[in-house]
Amino acid sequence: AQKITQTQPGMFVQEKEAVTLDCTYDTSDQSYGLFWYKQPSSGEMIFLIYQGSYDEQNATEGRYSLNFQKARKSTNLVISASQLGDSAMYFCAMREGNTGGFKTIFGAGTRLFVKA
Amino acid sequence: GAGVSQSPSNKVTEKGKDVELRCDPISGHTALYWYRQSLGQGLEFLIYFQGNSAPDKSGLPSDRFSAERTGGSVSTLTIQRTQQEDSAVYLCASSLRPAGGQDTQYFGPGTRLTVL
Repeated sequence: AQKITQTQPGMFVQEKEAVTLDCTYDTSDQSYGLFWYKQPSSGEMIFLIYQGSYDEQNATEGRYSLNFQKARKSTNLVISASQLGDSAMYFCAMREGNTGGFKTIFGAGTRLFVKA
Repeated sequence: GAGVSQSPSNKVTEKGKDVELRCDPISGHTALYWYRQSLGQGLEFLIYFQGNSAPDKSGLPSDRFSAERTGGSVSTLTIQRTQQEDSAVYLCASSLRPAGGQDTQYFGPGTRLTVL
């Protein structure tokens, strides 16, 4: 079964607007971590933001924030005030605390295009 | 400080040959991961090392794939008798505290393997 689902293969956003990238996950563990990474065309994977399953507040890092809905098992990434440099692939990932060892499962990714 | 480094950055080989890919993790990071990313796809977990523990090899696709980590630092991923379907970018990542809490993986630039 798919553990991490990113349903948007591609997204377009106008520069300076906000955009939400969707991610749902499936786990039976109570303890897990959720990550978002950015991969520009150059290929490097850049860590953006983390949400722990026990964190009560939604994580924020600069222009990045998470809309974490534990009951729905979703952790959507919100990018505010989009910039041209935000054009990239975005991957959602999960590490299960109990049953998954320390393996991290990645989604298929969403390609974001920021329009000038 | 220095990030994760990988070598070579590009490798072209002929079908049937063996290849070795190298990863130097961030100094002090006890966990090391290998992933494979085929063109336009997400990351596929291959293998995980943590300190002196037995590695988690559950993601290796066949017995042609193996990996070592010497002295808890440098790791080598070996692919024997390469096939064209092995062509991909091989990414290495390391992390500091896999035992709990946020376990952010920091990625190297990858090795692009092309099997002719």
